[in-house]
This record gives sequence, C-alpha cells and structure tokens, in this order.
Amino acid sequence: AQSVTQLDSHVSVSEGTPVLLRCNYSSSYSPSLFWYVQHPNKGLQLLLKYTSAATLVKGINGFEAEFKKSETSFHLTKPSAHMSDAAEYFCVVSENNTGKLIFGQGTTLQVKP
Amino acid sequence: GAGVSQSPSNKVTEKGKDVELRCDPISGHTALYWYRQSLGQGLEFLIYFQGNSAPDKSGLPSDRFSAERTGGSVSTLTIQRTQQEDSAVYLCASSWGGSGELFFGEGSRLTVL
Repeated sequence: AQSVTQLDSHVSVSEGTPVLLRCNYSSSYSPSLFWYVQHPNKGLQLLLKYTSAATLVKGINGFEAEFKKSETSFHLTKPSAHMSDAAEYFCVVSENNTGKLIFGQGTTLQVKP
Repeated sequence: GAGVSQSPSNKVTEKGKDVELRCDPISGHTALYWYRQSLGQGLEFLIYFQGNSAPDKSGLPSDRFSAERTGGSVSTLTIQRTQQEDSAVYLCASSWGGSGELFFGEGSRLTVL
C-alpha cells in the first residue's frame, strides 16, 4: 500500500531564504507524486507533479521538487521564500493506473518578514 | 459553473441525525473523490469514483458512511446517525481520468453537536 510521510509538521523561514519541505513515500509500484498547496481560506491547488519523466519537476510560483528513488523522497524546495508562500503544503502519492491519491499530514510553512 | 461546487457550505446537526453532502464536479471530469479534513489534520481519503468502474470505498471509516454518483456526474455523501467525531470539512474533488490533477471544491463544513 502506498503512503507518504511529511517529516515536518511546521517549518518557519525568513523572507528571502530557501524553503525545504520534506516528503518520503512508500509505494509498491512506480509512483506518481504531487505537491498541493492550501492557502488560508482557499481551496487546494496543484503545485507540481512527477509522473516518471524528468526527476526534477518545476511547479508554479518558483517551487520545484526532485524525485529520488534511492531515498524514496520527493522534497519540495524554493530558492527564496516570499510572504505569499505561507500556506499548508501536502505531499501526495498515487500508484500508477489506480487514480487513488493519498495525502500526507501536511506541513505548515510560516514566512517571517 | 466552471469549478467544483459543494453544498451545503456549512451544516450544523445534532448527534444521531443523518446528513447528505452534495458535490457537482467539473463537467467532463470522469473521476470524483471525497476527502475529509479535520482540524489540524491532513486529508483523509474516503471514496473514489472513476467512470463506470466500481468505486474504491476503502477509506470510508464505518458503515454509517456511504456515497453514490448518479449518471457519472453529481455525487452525494451520506452520513447516517452522525457522531461528534464526524465533525470536519468534507472536500470533493474531480479530475480528468487518473491524471492526479485534482480540482477541489470549497468544502462542506459539518459540525455535529
């Protein structure tokens, strides 16, 4: 069965510094992996997705994630945080050809001025 | 409308009553998902419909929960004999096939007194 573990429930960074949100996955098959973002009082939005093409995936708002099979990781990064990045971030796994998506527990990103 | 529509947006009910939550997905989307988000928690998978296939009900927490999707479009999530622990935001999402790019509704906030 597939699962995801987000290693930090809360991350705090200063504006302009790098962001790292960690995610490890467990999957019996070749997974599809996603990051979703949920801004306060707004709906969930897809940030980026990995589907076995390039291992480095670029998403919206300057975020990117790297798929590392040897480490079963799919960490989300951004070189320079912006105040508007403050939100809840979810790492998501889907096994190929099933369509079922399993969400991690979420990481709250706080950006300080 | 252009997006996923859920109703009601807020529902307050008494313990033991039945509730129905409705989801109207994006037209043409073949996949429909229900998730539950409790305060401070991640998204808990409930059920997944894909086209005419049998739904994946593996996330339904008890037999008090059921869902149906009529005509491959609108879905209703029914909770019978509600309990206080059922209080949460119930999110519906739809997608084209098993792409993984989910479009979420605003959610139905259920409060069981």
